Amino acid sequence: DAKTTQPPSMDCAEGRAANLPCNHSTISGNEYVYWYRQIHSQGPQYIIHGLKNNETNEMASLIITEDRKSSTLILPHATLRDTAVYYCIVRVAGSNYQLIWGAGTKLIIKP
Amino acid sequence: GAGVSQSPRYKVAKRGQDVALRCDPISGHVSLFWYQQALGQGPEFLTYFQNEAQLDKSGLPSDRFFAERPEGSVSTLKIQRTQQEDSAVYLCASSLDREETQYFGPGTRLLVL
Repeated sequence: DAKTTQPPSMDCAEGRAANLPCNHSTISGNEYVYWYRQIHSQGPQYIIHGLKNNETNEMASLIITEDRKSSTLILPHATLRDTAVYYCIVRVAGSNYQLIWGAGTKLIIKP
Repeated sequence: GAGVSQSPRYKVAKRGQDVALRCDPISGHVSLFWYQQALGQGPEFLTYFQNEAQLDKSGLPSDRFFAERPEGSVSTLKIQRTQQEDSAVYLCASSLDREETQYFGPGTRLLVL
């Protein structure tokens, strides 16, 4: 079973920041939070991951709460090409290579 | 550099046919994974290779499913006597090592009629 909970869908206006929430209340201390996205008819694309500190790369920022029970993926300036299903995944470090996927959030960017 | 590639991208099979799906991982990636994705759902783990060794095949749904990676690079997922319930997208991913980030190919969409 997926260890994360995400809203099934969200809308965001083009050019605005898209904030995608994820709850992982049963996360353990050594479990990473990974984000992937899947654009229609394509394979999943890695976005970002983190353990406890906030992370930023060229695609997005990941904000993890201090208690690590939830996180938010931020796309700072959403474009129409960011329309996709976004998956938040909790992965055990060092012992579990399987990615357990939930249903994800369908993000629709509107012009 | 080149990402993970998969072929064919689309495959239509008649029920009972055997199919073979190919995955070319990123060069130098030791770990290779196969996932199955049903329509509207997230991917589900099928099997994992470390080099040529298949270390986990717990997700293979039946003994009709068979995967190999004989030289530790290209992998093939074979499905014998296909059934309609095998219709799905089959995704391959590779990573530098099993704990590292997995990078996915575009998938093979299999339709069994």
